[in-house]
Amino acid sequence: DVKVTQSSRYLVKRTGEKVFLECVQDMDHENMFWYRQDPGLGLRLIYFSYDVKMKEKGDIPEGYSVSREKKERFSLILESASTNQTSMYLCASSPAGTGHNEQFFGPGTRLTVL
Amino acid sequence: AQTVTQSQPEMSVQEAETVTLSCTYDTSESDYYLFWYKQPPSRQMILVIRQEAYKQQNATENRFSVNFQKAAKSFSLKISDSQLGDAAMYFCAYRSDIAGGTSYGKLTFGQGTILTVHP
Repeated sequence: DVKVTQSSRYLVKRTGEKVFLECVQDMDHENMFWYRQDPGLGLRLIYFSYDVKMKEKGDIPEGYSVSREKKERFSLILESASTNQTSMYLCASSPAGTGHNEQFFGPGTRLTVL
Repeated sequence: AQTVTQSQPEMSVQEAETVTLSCTYDTSESDYYLFWYKQPPSRQMILVIRQEAYKQQNATENRFSVNFQKAAKSFSLKISDSQLGDAAMYFCAYRSDIAGGTSYGKLTFGQGTILTVHP
């Protein structure tokens, strides 16, 4: 059974803190993605990665960075958390290549920045 | 850039009845995929159904089917014989199929539609 896990379901941090969100997949997928989900806006892509140590900016990368040191793990970093980064964060993975490859999602991390 | 629009923030249906969720998209590409994802309350997002743009035949998965109108750039989801377990947020998503493009592999999502199923 395919699985994407995220380190926390709920997280509360203070403004200015450095925040790490971890995502692990056990499907040997090449592609990994970080989205944020906000009411009325759907899911918006923050960063994605096609391979180890590779990263590409998505649509809303400002205020975020990522790290992919191992194939199975993709970390999202908020260098200095701000209240406007309060959101639901979803990680996803998919195999590489052409075709209608499905993205598999983690359960999400609901981050509150006070 | 591609955009996906779901114009119905909320929909409701009676159990055992049929409901249709709307989705429109904008793209200049000819090769792409369209998806409907379901996000149940407090549970992981899962794929419901997908459609290849080059296929004229509408995709079907059990009680779920789509009405894909390529010229109109419309991709609606029909749920037949609705069940209580269908209650969820539904997202329409677009994926480019142009190999090597910067958007390759990325999903562009609509705003989502909350579906309520009444017993």
